[in-house]
Amino acid sequence: EPEVTQTPSHQVTQMGQEVILRCVPISNHLYFYWYRQILGQKVEFLVSFYNNEISEKSEIFDDQFSVERPDGSNFTLKIRSTKLEDSAMYFCASSKTGSSTGELFFGEGSRLTVL
Amino acid sequence: KQEVTQIPAALSVPEGENLVLNCSFTDSAIYNLQWFRQDPGKGLTSLLLIQSSQREQTSGRLNASLDKSSGRSTLYIAASQPGDSATYLCAVKGFRETSGSRLTFGEGTQLTVNP
Repeated sequence: EPEVTQTPSHQVTQMGQEVILRCVPISNHLYFYWYRQILGQKVEFLVSFYNNEISEKSEIFDDQFSVERPDGSNFTLKIRSTKLEDSAMYFCASSKTGSSTGELFFGEGSRLTVL
Repeated sequence: KQEVTQIPAALSVPEGENLVLNCSFTDSAIYNLQWFRQDPGKGLTSLLLIQSSQREQTSGRLNASLDKSSGRSTLYIAASQPGDSATYLCAVKGFRETSGSRLTFGEGTQLTVNP
């Protein structure tokens, strides 16, 4: 069964360092998303991406964050200068459509720990 | 702004029991509602998606209902098994023009099924 894959599964970094989280969405999907979950809190939306551009972003997704689809398969989230409060599980998701039938499929997540 | 609430926060039942998890949302202008399962430290597994025009969806022992006008959904699990133990998350997708196309998640219900 097709699945969303994410790397790395866990990354530890020092505050102020740049981090890139990688995702391979399901191959025939057109909509891509990043969500995050701080330990013990709700899953929160970060950004959605369609047709090679950001279609929506949340208040969390400030200038420190960027997304890119560098080739036909990968979808990346970059955090330019990490802060302690960026420590969270980051989930990539994809869907075939953006309409009411657009079921989101999530990856296993990348746990980011900022020291 | 869409708010999603799930009750109860935790539930412990003996194996074989039928159970109901509840989800409520404040803005009835939704595209769809999706139920997920999350195992500890893992990603989100999609269980069911109900479009705004639908009243219920079934998959195996799971049945999800949607009452958009009252802002409620329930997930019914029949004949629960220890393997059903996990956190169950409810998420709604709003219209872009109002709350955006993002998924808004509830806090989840942590289910434990005892053998």
